[in-house]
Amino acid sequence: AQSVTQLGSHVSVSEGALVLLRCNYSSSVPPYLFWYVQYPNQGLQLLLKYTTGATLVKGINGFEAEFKKSETSFHLTKPSAHMSDAAEYFCAVSEYGNKLVFGAGTILRVKS
Amino acid sequence: DADVTQTPRNRITKTGKRIMLECSQTKGHDRMYWYRQDPGLGLRLIYYSFDVKDINKGEISDGYSVSRQAQAKFSLSLESAIPNQTALYFCATSDSTSGGKTQYFGPGTRLLVL
Repeated sequence: AQSVTQLGSHVSVSEGALVLLRCNYSSSVPPYLFWYVQYPNQGLQLLLKYTTGATLVKGINGFEAEFKKSETSFHLTKPSAHMSDAAEYFCAVSEYGNKLVFGAGTILRVKS
Repeated sequence: DADVTQTPRNRITKTGKRIMLECSQTKGHDRMYWYRQDPGLGLRLIYYSFDVKDINKGEISDGYSVSRQAQAKFSLSLESAIPNQTALYFCATSDSTSGGKTQYFGPGTRLLVL
C-alpha cells in the first residue's frame, strides 16, 4: 500500500532563507509524486509533479523537488523564502496515476 | 470562472440531519473524487468515480454516499450527520485521457455538525 510521511508538521524560516520541506513515500510500483499548496481558506493548488523522466522537477513560484528513488524521497525546496509562501504544503503519491494518497501536511511559516 | 465549483462553501447542520454537498466541473474531465481534510491528517479519499457508471469506495466511505448525476456533477451525501464528520470537504477532478495523473481541486466546503 502507498503511504506518505511528511517530516515536520510545522516549519518556520526567515524571509530570504532556504525552504526545505521533507517528504518520504512508500510504493510497490514506480510512483507518481506531487506537491500541492493550500493557502488560507483556499483549495489545493498543484505546485509540481514527478511522473517519469527528469528527477529534478521545477514548479511554480520558484519551488523545485527531486525524486530520489534510493531514498524514497521527494523533498520540496525553494532557495529564498518569501512572505507569500506561508501556506500548508501537501506531498502526495499515486500508483499508476490513479488515486492520490496524501501526507499529513506541513505548515510553512515565514518570518520577516 | 472556476473550473471546479462546490456548493455550499460553508454549512452548519445538526446531528442526525441529512446533508448534500455538490460539486460541478467545467473541465470536461471524466474522473471525480471526494476528500475530507482534518487537521494533522491531510486529505483522505471518501469516494471516487472514473465515469458516470463507475463509483468506488475510498479509504473512509462509512457514513457517506455519492451520486454521479452526469459527467460534470458528483454529489456527496451524509445520510445522518454526526459531529465527527465536521471537516473541510474537497472535490477534485482528473482526466483519464492524459493519464489521470493530476487532480484539480475545488475550493472546499467547510462543514460543522453540531
